Amino acid sequence: GQQVMQIPQYQHVQEGEDFTTYCNSSTTLSNIQWYKQRPGGHPVFLIQLVKSGEVKKQKRLTFQFGEAKKNSSLHITATQTTDVGTYFCAGTGSSNTGKLIFGQGTTLQVKP
Amino acid sequence: NAGVTQTPKFRILKIGQSMTLQCTQDMNHNYMYWYRQDPGMGLKLIYYSVGAGITDKGEVPNGYNVSRSTTEDFPLRLELAAPSQTSVYFCASSPPASGIQGEQYFGPGTRLTVT
Repeated sequence: GQQVMQIPQYQHVQEGEDFTTYCNSSTTLSNIQWYKQRPGGHPVFLIQLVKSGEVKKQKRLTFQFGEAKKNSSLHITATQTTDVGTYFCAGTGSSNTGKLIFGQGTTLQVKP
Repeated sequence: NAGVTQTPKFRILKIGQSMTLQCTQDMNHNYMYWYRQDPGMGLKLIYYSVGAGITDKGEVPNGYNVSRSTTEDFPLRLELAAPSQTSVYFCASSPPASGIQGEQYFGPGTRLTVT
């Protein structure tokens, strides 16, 4: 079945450093979504990408969808302590009747 | 709007007991979902519903049942609880305009321990 893999699993950065997490699918995706989960909290929707090669920005966050629609990345510029949490990608492929498949997440720790 | 609400927040069950996790949304969303999240893992879909009276299995439905008698409510039933069902359970919903592939709004979760 369809799998969505994320790397790295954990990342520790110094405040002010940049951070990137990568998401790879075993099959072509129709769209990719990104969620953030704060420690002890619930996932919160950040963004959805639909088009091949699409790039979207939210303040210090930059989201990309690969040309082949099989991978995606989230880049945070100049991390802050408020960026701490786990970032999940979730994709929809044609093989799973439209349901989202979540990656295992990347947990970001930011040292002040 | 309260969004997606879940009760209880925490629960400890003994092996073999049963319970119902409640989920309610007040956003008039027709799509609703139940996920479980194990430590260090992503979310696994248990069951989902595209509208009142319609439910379907996700990736990990064994040991669970659902019903959807109203648009607002989507309870998850655990029969004969097992230690493998120790997890955090999240309910989520999607608005009708975005379809089953649309963004999901999550409830605060229920932390369940089976001992």
